[in-house]
Order: sequence, then structure tokens, then C-alpha cells
Amino acid sequence: DTAVSQTPKYLVTQMGNDKSIKCEQNLGHDTMYWYKQDSKKFLKIMFSYNNKELIINETVPNRFSPKSPDKAHLNLHINSLELGDSAVYFCASSQDLRGQFFGPGTRLTVL
Amino acid sequence: GNSVTQMEGPVTLSEEAFLTINCTYTATGYPSLFWYVQYPGEGLQLLLKATKADDKGSNKGFEATYRKETTSFHLEKGSVQVSDSAVYFCALRDDSWGKLQFGAGTQVVVTP
Repeated sequence: DTAVSQTPKYLVTQMGNDKSIKCEQNLGHDTMYWYKQDSKKFLKIMFSYNNKELIINETVPNRFSPKSPDKAHLNLHINSLELGDSAVYFCASSQDLRGQFFGPGTRLTVL
Repeated sequence: GNSVTQMEGPVTLSEEAFLTINCTYTATGYPSLFWYVQYPGEGLQLLLKATKADDKGSNKGFEATYRKETTSFHLEKGSVQVSDSAVYFCALRDDSWGKLQFGAGTQVVVTP
């Protein structure tokens, strides 16, 4: 059983398009996160939701908009995609102060 | 602000060699410390953690001890295998919402 799943796994699109990445966790965790991993493998948090409420919002362009319809889902919508948005995006979830569980990642390529 | 510094990779070693990956941190307060591993093409997996000074985290033959006096959390394994080839990330968490601050990652390549 997949704990944290993301779709799609790969996403190739043109500059200026709008795209969404979906994340679902079946662990019953209250908190979910989005991280961005650049081409040098550097990981940086973007957003976090706790029980559908936004609790962490790092310095991210407002073209990125997370949405949490329920505590098991955290989607990421990106408007007007730019070349610099190309990266691997990871979703993660956690419960209380235990370790975070990561999804397999979505590799976004903007052409 | 908080930060995590890891030794740069890639680290290349032969099977059965001893592995050490250095990690030091800067933080206010008393963070929890983690090592995550990322195998090629996969997401991150929690390898081990320590939540207070002198705690030792261990898993799959890997160990790391939380050293408050040297603000370090070095990862060690006594005898690596080819299957240990991956990128290893040191991370700290110091807030109640679980936000992780990652180091830059260290790629480890183990050759037969």
C-alpha cells in the first residue's frame, strides 16, 4: 500500500501553461508539505498544511497555490509556468513531531 | 537563522569500507536531527533520527549521535554495500509544525 502518492510522476509542459500536481496520503497524518528539489538536489520547503489549514508559506512566488480539500490531500497548482520552475516536487506528511514520509516526487520540466 | 552543513560529495568508496558523512548545524534552541536517504529516482526515506543531546539514532547499520557540544550529527556505517549508493541528507527540525531544514545532500557511490 502506497503511503504518500503523487500524480503525475513526470510532467513536461510549455512556458506560460498552468499545471497541477496532486498528493494523497493514507497514513492518517494531520500535516502535509510540499518541497522543491532543484537540479543540484537541494531541498527547500514551500508550504505546509495542518488539518487543511496553511501553517507554513515560505518565500514562494504567488503563481504557486496549494489547496487542501481534506487532510489526506494537498494539491499544488502552478500558474504561468517559467523555466526556473523545472524541478522535482515532493509531497510529504507527518503526524505530531515524528519523521516525515515523502512521496516519490513529480519531475516537472518546463520547455 | 537555522542551517545545516554537510560534507560535499560525491563520496566514492569500495564495498565493505567505512563510511562517514559529516553534518553540522546552526540552530536556536534544541532541534531534532534527522538523516534521510534518497535512492536513485525515488523520494526521501527517513533513515534515522535523534531528538535530544547524546541520543544515538540507528537503522540498517547506520548510526549518528546528537552532539550538542560540537553541534554535529555525523552519519557512520561500518561496512557499506553497493546498495547503499544514494544521496544522504542531514536535516533539522526546530518548530512545532515539523518544518525541516535540509543540508545540501551528499552523494555516496559504493563500488564492488
